[in-house]
Amino acid sequence: DIVMTQSPSSLAVSAGETVTINCKSSQSLFGSVRQKNYLAWYQQKPGQSPKLLIYLASTRESGVPDRFIGSGSGTDFTLTISSVQAEDLANYYCQQYYDTPRTFGGGTKLELK
Amino acid sequence: EVQLVESGGGLVQPGRSLKLSCAASGFTFSNYGMAWVCQAPTKGLEWVASISTGGGNTYYRDSVKGRFTISRDNAKNTLYLQMDSLRSEDTATYYCARHWGYFDFWGPGTMVTVSS
Repeated sequence: DIVMTQSPSSLAVSAGETVTINCKSSQSLFGSVRQKNYLAWYQQKPGQSPKLLIYLASTRESGVPDRFIGSGSGTDFTLTISSVQAEDLANYYCQQYYDTPRTFGGGTKLELK
Repeated sequence: EVQLVESGGGLVQPGRSLKLSCAASGFTFSNYGMAWVCQAPTKGLEWVASISTGGGNTYYRDSVKGRFTISRDNAKNTLYLQMDSLRSEDTATYYCARHWGYFDFWGPGTMVTVSS
């Protein structure tokens, strides 16, 4: 199974800051046929179901604010949230879909400082 | 508007069975792969099972193989998860999700508690 490791596990921020969440996979998620990385990011607010933010490592889902930016390739990926707002406080998960079983990172909790 | 609504969760004793349902609307259900993803209390997300558009291909995580069965009824726009031989470690919220490899829409979830 592909192991997804996220860091940090929690992050305390002030509104307006830029934050970076890291996700590392145990093997490359780059598909040579489509030349794409099969990595997604989700946001989960307390008491809610997860919401897709990013797929193919850097493609923003429709309706997601452009302050959410996905980057990276191969085994190392990053979710950057620029100018964090109070509504962004949530848990964030990365997920690989290069192979089955689909696997998630352990999550990063974004809290208010 | 895409909607997924799970039902069928509850309290069940170890070793017993439960069947979850997920009613889909707002999209052509038969055109999409579907999946179940679970989340134990205060824990992270775990993929459980997936099914292809026609139902002919199914995939499971190792810990549920032989105990859980994913199925779908495209005429009823409904996804199912038959859960047999339940264990305490199956206790979680179970989400139904539309599946592209990633999961682009999720239901609100249904809670399954396995306890004597």
